[in-house]
Amino acid sequence: QITLKESGPTLVKPTQTLTLTCTLSGLSVSSSGAGGVGWIRQPPGKGLEWLGNIYWDDAKTYNSSLKSRVTITKDTSKNHVVLTMTNMDPVETATYYCAHRMSDVGTYDHWGQGILVTVSS
Amino acid sequence: DIVMTQSPDSLAVSLGERATINCKTSQSVLYTSNNKNYLGWYQQKPGQPPKLLIYWASTRESGVPDRFSGSGSGTDFTLTISSLQAEDVAVYYCQHYFGTFAFGPGTKVDIK
Repeated sequence: QITLKESGPTLVKPTQTLTLTCTLSGLSVSSSGAGGVGWIRQPPGKGLEWLGNIYWDDAKTYNSSLKSRVTITKDTSKNHVVLTMTNMDPVETATYYCAHRMSDVGTYDHWGQGILVTVSS
Repeated sequence: DIVMTQSPDSLAVSLGERATINCKTSQSVLYTSNNKNYLGWYQQKPGQPPKLLIYWASTRESGVPDRFSGSGSGTDFTLTISSLQAEDVAVYYCQHYFGTFAFGPGTKVDIK
């Protein structure tokens, strides 16, 4: 059974750096194939915004509107994926999700429950 | 970057009736070398993460009821719920994965 779980701070101050961890169970970040993990966020009452993906071969793709601020890495020893986002702004208050990108298909078939991050002083 | 639009923003359908949601991409997401459309559909209920319904524009994810179907090619796509059930009340999103990724703005489906 594949599960993903987001963890990290639920409150960050403006201009601070947000670091979130996605812990995987039932799959390995050392897997082969074209799968991977993506990060998606959703402001309260609004739609979904794709942030970026990391693939099992360590390739990465990012939303071009955020590219310089977002970094996604993976830790094979801990079997988790980390999202780092610099210079956070209050408008980026949102639920942040990690999700499993299917091998050979770009859709996400398993999602974490999400973590609500509030950006406020 | 490919821009996604969805229509309508919301719709209300009677139980047992058909619901149709449209998704349009600003450029084709059909990869001609494999003749596949790089588009998926999700359902999101309040307080829950999105749930994958459809990928490759028309392939139903395992366990998804067959009243959900996807169609379209190139830049114009449709998600159809053939006979709306109470549990289908949700927001529906399309997503492309042609190069980078992006989601549509969503369509809210309610019971009339």
